[in-house]
Formats: sequence, structure tokens, C-alpha cells
Amino acid sequence: QKEVEQDPGPLSVPEGAIVSLNCTYSNSAFQYFMWYRQYSRKGPELLMYTYSSGNKEDGRFTAQVDKSSKYISLFIRDSQPSDSATYLCAMFGNNRLAFGKGNQVVVIP
Amino acid sequence: DAGVIQSPRHEVTEMGQEVTLRCKPISGHDYLFWYRQTMMRGLELLIYFNNNVPIDDSGMPEDRFSAKMPNASFSTLKIQPSEPRDSAVYFCASSLARTSGGADTQYFGPGTRLTVL
Repeated sequence: QKEVEQDPGPLSVPEGAIVSLNCTYSNSAFQYFMWYRQYSRKGPELLMYTYSSGNKEDGRFTAQVDKSSKYISLFIRDSQPSDSATYLCAMFGNNRLAFGKGNQVVVIP
Repeated sequence: DAGVIQSPRHEVTEMGQEVTLRCKPISGHDYLFWYRQTMMRGLELLIYFNNNVPIDDSGMPEDRFSAKMPNASFSTLKIQPSEPRDSAVYFCASSLARTSGGADTQYFGPGTRLTVL
């Protein structure tokens, strides 16, 4: 089993829809969970990070972590064409950092 | 602040040649990360440093790859000899030490697009 699994998509949604992304992982040492957004031909930029289990909300973005299931999610409400990008999950713990492969999202106007 | 600076932005070389990629982290940041990104494999962490000391180099593919951080403001990633399968975008990122070990607020550079013919 891969350390971090993320379905690469692509995922196409109409403008205004809710985008739901998720990752699963196998390393129980992971304590910090991040979501990065990457536009084409740019470096990733941090969207959100969460420590341990729970929810975190920032504007239209909500991150959820369920450590018991080793499952994390990112929700984007009222999606906009500017949200079209690749979203990568990342996890860190015990000096180990790992990224998902990324999920390409296209928001159609 | 200028952000993380990488050079060159593009590199085209022939198989067997030595390639050196350079990175200048954000001033004051004490973590530095090197990544490789391809369509097939996604973003892969190669190595990261804390206070110029390598912490995890388990992602370095093989002995042809080496990374150094001689001081807090400069790091290199060297590939010798290069092979076509090394073609990828190489990113450098830096962050400030926090309880999460610097992993939660990384700032990425623009990347170096490497093509090995």
C-alpha cells in the first residue's frame, strides 16, 4: 500500500458546485495534514493545514481529518473558475513528509 | 522578500552530463526541501534539511543524485551522470521551524524544468 493515496482525477464541476477531494494514508505517525493548490506551471502553494483530527474552515474551504480512518478531505464551496488547479494533500509526522499525487480540478463557468 | 529563488529556470542537457540545480531559500527560514514532479509520479520529496543538516534523504532516487546545503542561504541538487528519466520539474521549498517540523508552511520556488536528451 502506498503511503499516501490520492485519486488523480481529473474532476470537472460546474461553477457554484461543491468540490470534494480526499486522500487516504497508511503511516499512523502522521500528525500534520496539509492541502496545497498548484496552478499550471507554478509551484504549489499552501491552502490549509490541520493538526491531528478535526475540521478547519477558511472561507470557502474546509479541511477534515479523521485519523481513526486515516482519511482526510478538502471541500470547496461555491466553486469558481479560478479554483481550477491541481490540489495535493501532504502529511507530516516523525520527520517523515509525504505528498499525494495531486487531483486536477476543472470548474466550468 | 523575493521568495524562494531557483536557477536555472530551464535546463536542457544531454545524457551523461552533470546537472546542478540551485536554490536560495527565504531569508530566516531554516528548513529547505527538494522535490521532483512528473506527470507519472506526481510530486516526490527527494530530501530535506534543517539548519543545513539533511534530515530525510530517503527520497533520493540513487547515487547519481546528491544535495548539499553549505550555508543557510544556498543549496544545490546535483545529478551526475544525468539520464533521460531524470527529466522533470525540480522544486525547492523553504519554511520556518515550527512545532510541525517546518512542514506545514512551505513556500515553493518557481521550479527548474529539466530536460535530458
